Amino acid sequence: DTGVSQDPRHKITKRGQNVTFRCDPISEHNRLYWYRQTLGQGPEFLTYFQNEAQLEKSRLLSDRFSAERPKGSFSTLEIQRTEQGDSAMYLCASSPKRRVQETQYFGPGTRLLVL
Amino acid sequence: AQRVTQPEKLLSVFKGAPVELKCNYSYSGSPELFWYVQYSRQRLQLLLRHISRESIKGFTADLNKGETSFHLKKPFAQEEDSAMYYCALSGGGGYQKVTFGTGTKLQVIP
Repeated sequence: DTGVSQDPRHKITKRGQNVTFRCDPISEHNRLYWYRQTLGQGPEFLTYFQNEAQLEKSRLLSDRFSAERPKGSFSTLEIQRTEQGDSAMYLCASSPKRRVQETQYFGPGTRLLVL
Repeated sequence: AQRVTQPEKLLSVFKGAPVELKCNYSYSGSPELFWYVQYSRQRLQLLLRHISRESIKGFTADLNKGETSFHLKKPFAQEEDSAMYYCALSGGGGYQKVTFGTGTKLQVIP
């Protein structure tokens, strides 16, 4: 499968714990995005990488959230001191670098439940 | 600020009936508009984008800048069209943040 992959697919944690999610984009895709999706809503932009550089962060991304893409390939999203409000589907997407906004290819998502 | 509005959470139509999923946007510049679809148990995927001016699976969408709309249409609905549809907007001109609407669930009744 050469599509975007995410791990784990599901995560249940207790409030206050830290969690880390991984995203492996389509190889040779320079751009990588993280979104959060809650019930009844569309995906909400969290952050964006071009290669290893994090170029934009949403104000939704509080200081408890951090994302990295150390070698310009896979990315991790860490949530520290999780809160019940962090329960959501976390989506990763990748796209090739083009002059115009390119199609984003989405992963299956990681569903987080904070108890 | 960029905003996408999909007024209908659920749209039910009979098989063979025409379909129109509404999308209105707010953006001061020249946006790029997309429709993404999510079938049951599948990941979110692109259906079509306005700059391609193409028809995918019988669906078309025309960007109306005067009405700031990008409605998705299909003349004859099929059962396999049942899915969640999201309208999305990008500011254009290279990378810009993509803003999604809240989505419309299309239910095609046999």
